[in-house]
Amino acid sequence: EPEVTQTPSHQVTQMGQEVILRCVPISNHLYFYWYRQILGQKVEFLVSFYNNEISEKSEIFDDQFSVERPDGSNFTLKIRSTKLEDSAMYFCASSTSGTNTGELFFGEGSRLTVL
Amino acid sequence: DAKTTQPNSMESNEEEPVHLPCNHSTISGTDYIHWYRQLPSQGPEYVIHGLTSNVNNRMASLAIAEDRKSSTLILHRATLRDAAVYYCILRLSGNTPLVFGKGTRLSVIA
Repeated sequence: EPEVTQTPSHQVTQMGQEVILRCVPISNHLYFYWYRQILGQKVEFLVSFYNNEISEKSEIFDDQFSVERPDGSNFTLKIRSTKLEDSAMYFCASSTSGTNTGELFFGEGSRLTVL
Repeated sequence: DAKTTQPNSMESNEEEPVHLPCNHSTISGTDYIHWYRQLPSQGPEYVIHGLTSNVNNRMASLAIAEDRKSSTLILHRATLRDAAVYYCILRLSGNTPLVFGKGTRLSVIA
């Protein structure tokens, strides 16, 4: 069964460092998402991406964050200068549909620890 | 955000049916009701969705009240693997993101 894959599974970084989290969405999917989940808290929407553009972003997704689909297969989330509060599980998701009937397929997540 | 209300936690015995309730009194006519679950240490997983009619798939059934102000996710025979947080989400019309609440933590007892 096709799945969304994410790398790395766990990254430890120093505060102020840049981090890139990578995702390979399911191959025929056109809509891509990043979510995060701080330990013990709810899953929070960060950004949605379609046709090489950001469709929607939350208040969390400030200038420190950026997304890119550099080569038609990968979908990346970059955090320019990490803060302690960026420590969280980051989930990538993809979907064939951007409408409210679409099913999102999530990856297993990348755990980011900022020291 | 369109709001849903779910119990914080529920408990079920293994091999018994489980009914997970969700209230969404502010639902509008074009909002779809989605259910996702998150197993421990995993990403969210789609379970089922519906608009007005009851829906069945291999994982679960979704019973939607006639006035659409509430719905119930039914797991017909709970297994230990069904222990997870279950999220009831209203997905608004258009290309709107899936917005998660706190969900219901389901414990399954052997």
